[in-house]
Amino acid sequence: DTGVSQNPRHKITKRGQNVTFRCDPISEHNRLYWYRQTLGQGPEFLTYFQNEAQLEKSRLLSDRFSAERPKGSFSTLEIQRTEQGDSAMYLCASSYQDSGSSGANVLTFGAGSRLTVL
Amino acid sequence: GQNIDQPTEMTATEGAIVQINCTYQTSGFNGLFWYQQHAGEAPTFLSYNVLDGLEEKGRFSSFLSRSKGYSYLLLKELQMKDSASYLCAVRDSNYQLIWGAGTKLIIKP
Repeated sequence: DTGVSQNPRHKITKRGQNVTFRCDPISEHNRLYWYRQTLGQGPEFLTYFQNEAQLEKSRLLSDRFSAERPKGSFSTLEIQRTEQGDSAMYLCASSYQDSGSSGANVLTFGAGSRLTVL
Repeated sequence: GQNIDQPTEMTATEGAIVQINCTYQTSGFNGLFWYQQHAGEAPTFLSYNVLDGLEEKGRFSSFLSRSKGYSYLLLKELQMKDSASYLCAVRDSNYQLIWGAGTKLIIKP
């Protein structure tokens, strides 16, 4: 397994354009998370999926953000009408969690997709 | 509100020992994690504590006191490659991870 893969690694776009990021998690992982990280800060939770179901979405996430995981494997994060404040590193992470288990559920992160909005 | 506090930056010497502290105030507690993040790279898992006490893994150890809302990461025999940010994260009662801003560790020869 090659770990968690994210594409593209870098994206520069003009304000108002739409962008889409893709995440391919570790194949046996059933949970997939999206985070946003800016310089000098920890990751900020955006949303997560268990298989194909989107179970939680941050209240901080505007309607311009949408995520999908149509077949419970890869996921996409789309940002519509980008703003300069959207410039950040977008991190994807995956994990395996048994239902009813309270184990560690360690997240494995991808290398991230860096977005710059001009 | 929920809060994780870590020092912003620390400096240490190659071969020495450094302790990075983390204090937290969260809605419930279901485990504390330490991750290492090199500049421009993904965070990588270092340790997990859910019970009080010390967990040792080679040069790295992590300690937890739930009653004090406190943890530390201890790094021994520091190497230049240990220069990175160290992120503390707590899983709350909703099983959400609350992240600190990270501690940037600078190792000098």
